[in-house]
Amino acid sequence: AQSVTQLDSHVSVSEGTPVLLRCNYSSSYSPSLFWYVQHPNKGLQLLLKYTSAATLVKGINGFEAEFKKSETSFHLTKPSAHMSDAAEYFCVVSLGNQGGKLIFGQGTELSVKP
Amino acid sequence: DAGVIQSPRHEVTEMGQEVTLRCKPISGHNSLFWYRQTMMRGLELLIYFNNNVPIDDSGMPEDRFSAKMPNASFSTLKIQPSEPRDSAVYFCASRSGMNTEAFFGQGTRLTVV
Repeated sequence: AQSVTQLDSHVSVSEGTPVLLRCNYSSSYSPSLFWYVQHPNKGLQLLLKYTSAATLVKGINGFEAEFKKSETSFHLTKPSAHMSDAAEYFCVVSLGNQGGKLIFGQGTELSVKP
Repeated sequence: DAGVIQSPRHEVTEMGQEVTLRCKPISGHNSLFWYRQTMMRGLELLIYFNNNVPIDDSGMPEDRFSAKMPNASFSTLKIQPSEPRDSAVYFCASRSGMNTEAFFGQGTRLTVV
């Protein structure tokens, strides 16, 4: 069963406009959720994490995400895109009832046009 | 800490040869993950360990793949015999608890010709 779904495989925005990358999860238990970023030919870097504290989570580089249990969503946003934000973004769920299994979404490629 | 260290960074091998990928997790971390990344399949979890014990290896593609964690500071992923379809980037990650973030190594780019 798919535990995390990223709703868009590719998102394109203009520099200076808002970014929205969508993520839905399925879990019987309160999950821990993460967003990672991967720049071309690079490793994976943590953007932010939710671990049952505040539902609005702020991360690096101006990104933030809101945990909405009623919608089982954890969408990533940024008010104003920068060219350097162009990368692949992954939503990740940690399944506490499976020994902390970390499942990645399929990824969303973000393009930023000048 | 130097972070998660993977070796080698690049590996080119011929079909049928044995390949061993290595990972040194961050000191004090008790969970270790192996992932494979390809264009077609994205990031797939192959296997993960808690306290050096394999918890779930359901992602290991077939018997040609095996992973070990003999101690808290070292893990290997072995492919024997290797096939061209095994070509991918293999990532290792570690973390200190179930609600903490995982730290990733730089990956090993494997090419099987």
